[in-house]
Amino acid sequence: GESVGLHLPTLSVQEGDNSIINCAYSNSASDYFIWYKQESGKGPQFIIDIRSNMDKRQGQRVTVLLNKTVKHLSLQIAATQPGDSAVYFCAETADFGNEKLTFGTGTRLTIIP
Amino acid sequence: NAGVTQTPKFQVLKTGQSMTLQCAQDMNHNSMYWYRQDPGMGLRLIYYSASEGTTDKGEVPNGYNVSRLNKREFSLRLESAAPSQTSVYFCASTETERGVFEKLFFGSGTQLSVL
Repeated sequence: GESVGLHLPTLSVQEGDNSIINCAYSNSASDYFIWYKQESGKGPQFIIDIRSNMDKRQGQRVTVLLNKTVKHLSLQIAATQPGDSAVYFCAETADFGNEKLTFGTGTRLTIIP
Repeated sequence: NAGVTQTPKFQVLKTGQSMTLQCAQDMNHNSMYWYRQDPGMGLRLIYYSASEGTTDKGEVPNGYNVSRLNKREFSLRLESAAPSQTSVYFCASTETERGVFEKLFFGSGTQLSVL
């Protein structure tokens, strides 16, 4: 079946530096992608999403890049803060007619003070 | 804004016992979902309901049943709990309009242990 995977399970970044979390997907029909942040003991929290008609989207301190050619998604977090420490999940779906998100296994981001 | 509310937050069951996890959303969303999350794994879809009155199986439906009670509420039932069902369960909802998927909003989870 199709899968969504992450290149690195853990990532440590110095406070104030930028971080990049990567995600590979294998379903060529996927056209909606989303990043979630999950803090310990909490439910996933939406960060940013992107549709396949775009290759970049920016939010507050976050940027998502989509490379459909190599089926790769990345989340960039600028000027990381201690509150950014969490597990980050990417997820994808093929839009029309599909009601389901497929999640990756997650990357644990640790911000070093 | 309550968003998605799940009850209970914690539950311990013995093998063979039954229980129902409750979920309610106040965002008037059409679609609701139940996921489970196991250590080192992403969220896996158990069941979902695209609209009131409909339910469909997800990736891991065995051992579970669901009820979409009304537009707000979507419950998950374990008829005979097994240790393999020890997990954290998340309910989520979204508004999917004209087939265009939108982001899910998640509840805070139910941590279930089956002994």
